[in-house]
Amino acid sequence: GENVEQHPSTLSVQEGDSAVIKCTYSDSASNYFPWYKQELGKRPQLIIDIRSNVGEKKDQRIAVTLNKTAKHFSLHITETQPEDSAVYFCAASLNTGTASKLTFGTGTRLQVTL
Amino acid sequence: GAVVSQHPSWVICKSGTSVKIECRSLDFQATTMFWYRQFPKQSLMLMATSNEGSKATYEQGVEKDKFLINHASLTLSTLTVTSAHPEDSSFYICSASPLLAVYYEQYFGPGTRLTVT
Repeated sequence: GENVEQHPSTLSVQEGDSAVIKCTYSDSASNYFPWYKQELGKRPQLIIDIRSNVGEKKDQRIAVTLNKTAKHFSLHITETQPEDSAVYFCAASLNTGTASKLTFGTGTRLQVTL
Repeated sequence: GAVVSQHPSWVICKSGTSVKIECRSLDFQATTMFWYRQFPKQSLMLMATSNEGSKATYEQGVEKDKFLINHASLTLSTLTVTSAHPEDSSFYICSASPLLAVYYEQYFGPGTRLTVT
């Protein structure tokens, strides 16, 4: 089955700096890669996603890049703000025809300091 | 749009009892719903995939007789933890995949925190 590795496990940046989180996946058939932000005790919230036919996607301060050949994808947050502090999970998805199982990375705890 | 609710948000039960958790898609029909378990400071681990009107598919290592899943309609799935034990204490989160989703994106419920005493 799919295996997703995520690095780093913790990341501390100063407000205004950029943060980068990297993930690798094992199954070359995976074709959907969402990123979720989870605050303590709350649900994961989809912040951005990318399909396998796209190499890069940007939404304001957040961008995701995908390298299918190397089987890795990254989340980039620019101009970080204290409210960006949370745990971020990457995931890879393999469509099975009627549904799509998500395999999550181990998470990155991002701390944005003043 | 794409709102998923869960009930209850938290529950405390005694060891040996059963607990039912409901997951509802409020503004869309869900072909498939998923149940995850999340221990403190850990990632989400998929427990099972449920499709409306059919038996759930459980992930390896998840006891299907202990975690009963019923997906009776396109908007409701339930997870029953039977004969709960303290090690079942966890954060249980469901997600739903819209019927017409192209890439089967998933929307998560707010989670249910189960504490077994």
